[in-house]
Amino acid sequence: DAGVIQSPRHEVTEMGQEVTLRCKPISGHNSLFWYRQTMMRGLELLIYFNNNVPIDDSGMPEDRFSAKMPNASFSTLKIQPSEPRDSAVYFCASNLGNTDTQYFGPGTRLTVL
Amino acid sequence: SQQGEEDPQALSIQEGENATMNCSYKTSINNLQWYRQNSGRGLVHLILIRSNEREKHSGRLRVTLDTSKKSSSLLITASRAADTASYFCATESGSARQLTFGSGTQLTVLP
Repeated sequence: DAGVIQSPRHEVTEMGQEVTLRCKPISGHNSLFWYRQTMMRGLELLIYFNNNVPIDDSGMPEDRFSAKMPNASFSTLKIQPSEPRDSAVYFCASNLGNTDTQYFGPGTRLTVL
Repeated sequence: SQQGEEDPQALSIQEGENATMNCSYKTSINNLQWYRQNSGRGLVHLILIRSNEREKHSGRLRVTLDTSKKSSSLLITASRAADTASYFCATESGSARQLTFGSGTQLTVLP
């Protein structure tokens, strides 16, 4: 199994631009989680899906952030417009809904200039 | 907000020594998990302990859980240079499936 796949691995963009991060969960997993990691705030849960349905998006910082999961094998996290304070590493993780261990992707390092 | 807080924030030891990291949390939990993160990589699950368990072993790892003190410890025995990484505790509470992560302990094992 290839594990959780994220793309791109690195993204550098300018303030005001739209950024789209992508995630492919492990095949057969039905829960998907988006996290953001910064030095200041550590690892924060942004949103998680169960069976493609958003369950808890209370961690999404503001309306500039949106996430979708159109099918069981793909999810996107979009930031529009991006701001320098959005610079962070964004992780996607997945698991089977009836298990506890989460499997993390390698992350996308986002830099907003 | 961070549910789990790790202590110490950073730990440096010699290869072969044991490393102990502690985690404290605030609310009742279903389980507590430890993850490792190598620099520039994603998190990797190490071990899970449920709220009704007190101790668990996996290879060189030993985890304890004291629910009365709302704390856990991770012991890595006979450390190796390859154990150098950040270690995070994460708690799962209530009916939610999401994890709340602590701030992490940066472990450096010197060869």
